[in-house]
Amino acid sequence: KAGVTQTPRYLIKTRGQQVTLSCSPISGHRSVSWYQQTPGQGLQFLFEYFSETQRNKGNFPGRFSGRQFSNSRSEMNVSTLELGDSALYLCASSWPVAGGSTDTQYFGPGTRLTVL
Amino acid sequence: GQQLNQSPQSMFIQEGEDVSMNCTSSSIFNTWLWYKQDPGEGPVLLIALYKAGELTSNGRLTAQFGITRKDSFLNISASIPSDVGIYFCAALLGGSQGNLIFGKGTKLSVKP
Repeated sequence: KAGVTQTPRYLIKTRGQQVTLSCSPISGHRSVSWYQQTPGQGLQFLFEYFSETQRNKGNFPGRFSGRQFSNSRSEMNVSTLELGDSALYLCASSWPVAGGSTDTQYFGPGTRLTVL
Repeated sequence: GQQLNQSPQSMFIQEGEDVSMNCTSSSIFNTWLWYKQDPGEGPVLLIALYKAGELTSNGRLTAQFGITRKDSFLNISASIPSDVGIYFCAALLGGSQGNLIFGKGTKLSVKP
């Protein structure tokens, strides 16, 4: 079974631009979560999508948004980029268990975003 | 908010040594996970724990879900050079909240 794939792997943007990152979950997984990883803050949860609906959201500004398509693929968008948005953006997929909670999450390799 | 305190922050290993690391929190969690991350890659799941008191092994790795549901530990026996990397504990809230909370990581390096 193929793992979680993320594209692109590396991206360089300048301040004020916007960026869209893509994530394809493991086949059959319907939940996709996004995380930001920086040396200072570690891994921080951005949002989670299930069945094309945002089910949970972390403490990030509205410049960070996402969506999920009917095939469970997900995209996240960051508008008006700031220097502090430079980070590794990780996507994780899982098979949600009964009751709505999310089962074990499997991560992709990440997209390394550098904002100049 | 919820926080995971992972220790130690870093440690040096010599091949063949056993390694221990742990994670504690003041909050109760329903699931504890241990991940390993190599440079430039995403975290790879090592062990998942779902029940308080559960002890699970994966090869040379053993992890336990604390009985209070507020802590977990990971042991690596007879370490080998490829064990170097950063190990993260993560915990999952139950209910409709699907986000993982991560510890700051334990960096394993080889003794010079």
